[in-house]
Amino acid sequence: DAKTTQPPSMDCAEGRAANLPCNHSTISGNEYVYWYRQIHSQGPQYIIHGLKNNETNEMASLIITEDRKSSTLILPHATLRDTAVYYCIVRVAGDNYGQNFVFGPGTRLSVLP
Amino acid sequence: DVKVTQSSRYLVKRTGEKVFLECVQDMDHENMFWYRQDPGLGLRLIYFSYDVKMKEKGDIPEGYSVSREKKERFSLILESASTNQTSMYLCASFSGGPYNEQFFGPGTRLTVL
Repeated sequence: DAKTTQPPSMDCAEGRAANLPCNHSTISGNEYVYWYRQIHSQGPQYIIHGLKNNETNEMASLIITEDRKSSTLILPHATLRDTAVYYCIVRVAGDNYGQNFVFGPGTRLSVLP
Repeated sequence: DVKVTQSSRYLVKRTGEKVFLECVQDMDHENMFWYRQDPGLGLRLIYFSYDVKMKEKGDIPEGYSVSREKKERFSLILESASTNQTSMYLCASFSGGPYNEQFFGPGTRLTVL
């Protein structure tokens, strides 16, 4: 059963912010939200994760709503190299083996010149 | 720089052949994974291993086996390859715990003729 829903595709103009939404309405209190991306013909790459506070790193920002039922990944200044499939994943904190990283279809982001 | 490497980027085999896909990680991680990725289906977990000689079935283990004789190496075996095993195969490793992420290899695109 999918724990997250994402739009299948989005476009973004180069240099603008890309805002990728994710719904996780059944998220539990001990589940983290992870974001990965997969550039064509490569393995998925970790971007960021969070529990309930907003997070920022050198790649992106993660905004989680107060009720934690949805989140948004923000790429502040999208470049052509950000064209990829973006995956939103919820993972229970007690999953010590990592077997519950469940990757759905994701959102295909196209950054346009 | 952390690394997960896979033995081949592209592989072509014939129906009925025995196929070995090798994965090596240099991060001293306990946990390693094999996924397959097909269009529209996201990543599906085949097997994972949480220690040397230990393995657990994932969501789609049928037709596959695995071997983990050394901590850094996790092998996926197709005992008798079939055309429906044509896919992208991704290996990942994970150190464990609630705060960490999986690291992926570049993938092996296997074609079974």
